[in-house]
Amino acid sequence: DIQMTQSPSSLSASVGDRVTITCRASQDISNFLAWYQQRPGKPPKLVIYGASTLQSGVPSRFSGSGFGTDFTLTINSLQPEDAATFYCQKFDSAPFTFGPGTRVDIK
Amino acid sequence: EVQVVESGGGLVKPGESLRLSCVVSGFIFNAYGMNWVRQAPGKGLEWVSFISSSGSSVHYADSVKGRATISRDNAKNSLFLEMKSLRVEDTAIYYCAREATLYGDYFEDFWGPGTLVTVSS
Repeated sequence: DIQMTQSPSSLSASVGDRVTITCRASQDISNFLAWYQQRPGKPPKLVIYGASTLQSGVPSRFSGSGFGTDFTLTINSLQPEDAATFYCQKFDSAPFTFGPGTRVDIK
Repeated sequence: EVQVVESGGGLVKPGESLRLSCVVSGFIFNAYGMNWVRQAPGKGLEWVSFISSSGSSVHYADSVKGRATISRDNAKNSLFLEMKSLRVEDTAIYYCAREATLYGDYFEDFWGPGTLVTVSS
């Protein structure tokens, strides 16, 4: 099975900073990748799908890129409400594995 | 408005069985695949199982294969997950999530609040 990794596992940044999270697949998954944001005590919320398409209603400061095995989620101008854990998930074929998550804290 | 609500969680002993349910509204249920995803306390998300819109195709994570059965009743807008031989490590919040597809992309766009399953003696 394809394994998903994320880096860093956690980060702390200031309001207004640009934040980049990386997700890596152990094999080529084309652009079949989604990103989710999960705040404590809440279910995940879809942020990006197809590696780079912003989900409706998600602020434009979020963007995604990548293809094949390497993907990034970027948050431009970090806001207080962006504090959460972010997960990537592969959708090329089952199992639809999640990455281990990246926790984003606000300094 | 799309709504997804899970139920059926609770405290069970190791080796016992449990049936989780998910009732949806606000969309044409039989047009969408559905997933179960779980999250152990303080841990990350783990994909558990998928069922296609018709129910003809199902997939399972290795961690539950042989112990879990996913099914759906399209007439009742309901999704189910039957788990047997439960283990302590199955303790988690279980989420039901709609799988959507758009221009060849796939993603889980609506999630329920989850139902907590605790396996303990």
